[in-house]
Amino acid sequence: DIQMTQSPSSLSASVGDRVTITCRASQGIANDLGWYQQKPGKAPKRLIYAASSLQSGVPSRFSGSGSGTEFTLAISSLQPEDFATYYCLQHNTYPLTFGGGTTVGIK
Amino acid sequence: EVQLVESGGGLVQPGGSLRLSCAASGFTFSSYWMHWVRQAPGKGLVWVSRINTDGSSTTYADSVKGRFTISRDNAKNTLYLQMNSLRAEDTAVYYCVKARDVDYWGQGTLVTVSS
Repeated sequence: DIQMTQSPSSLSASVGDRVTITCRASQGIANDLGWYQQKPGKAPKRLIYAASSLQSGVPSRFSGSGSGTEFTLAISSLQPEDFATYYCLQHNTYPLTFGGGTTVGIK
Repeated sequence: EVQLVESGGGLVQPGGSLRLSCAASGFTFSSYWMHWVRQAPGKGLVWVSRINTDGSSTTYADSVKGRFTISRDNAKNTLYLQMNSLRAEDTAVYYCVKARDVDYWGQGTLVTVSS
């Protein structure tokens, strides 16, 4: 199975801060990676697909980069509605595997 | 607008069975692979199973292989998950998810396995 190592597991930040989250795959997955945001009690919502493409309707402060084994989600200027848990997912090889999640909290 | 509505969750005893359904609308259901993903209380997301467009090919996580069966009825725009021999560790919210690259998610249905 491909392991997705996501870091950090949690972070505290202020409104307006730039935030970056990283996922490392245990083997190459090309650009078969998505990033998801989940708020408490809600279903995940996809933000980024194909590693760097912005999902329709998602604010442009979210961006993704990377290919192969190293991937990054960046939020350029954190907004109050961005406090949530973020997950990466590789869909290159079955079983599909998620990162462990990053909870973004208020500093 | 894509809509995925899960149903069928509830409380079941260990060893019991449950069948989840997912009603799809807002897209051509028969054209997309579908998945089930689960999330235990307070834990992360775990992929469970996938099915191709016509139901001829399926894949399962090792943790559910031989106990769960994914299926679909394209005439009814509905995805199913038959869960047998349920264990306490199967307790989770189960999400129905659209497409090979996992784009849209339903709101989930809670399955609790407990005596």
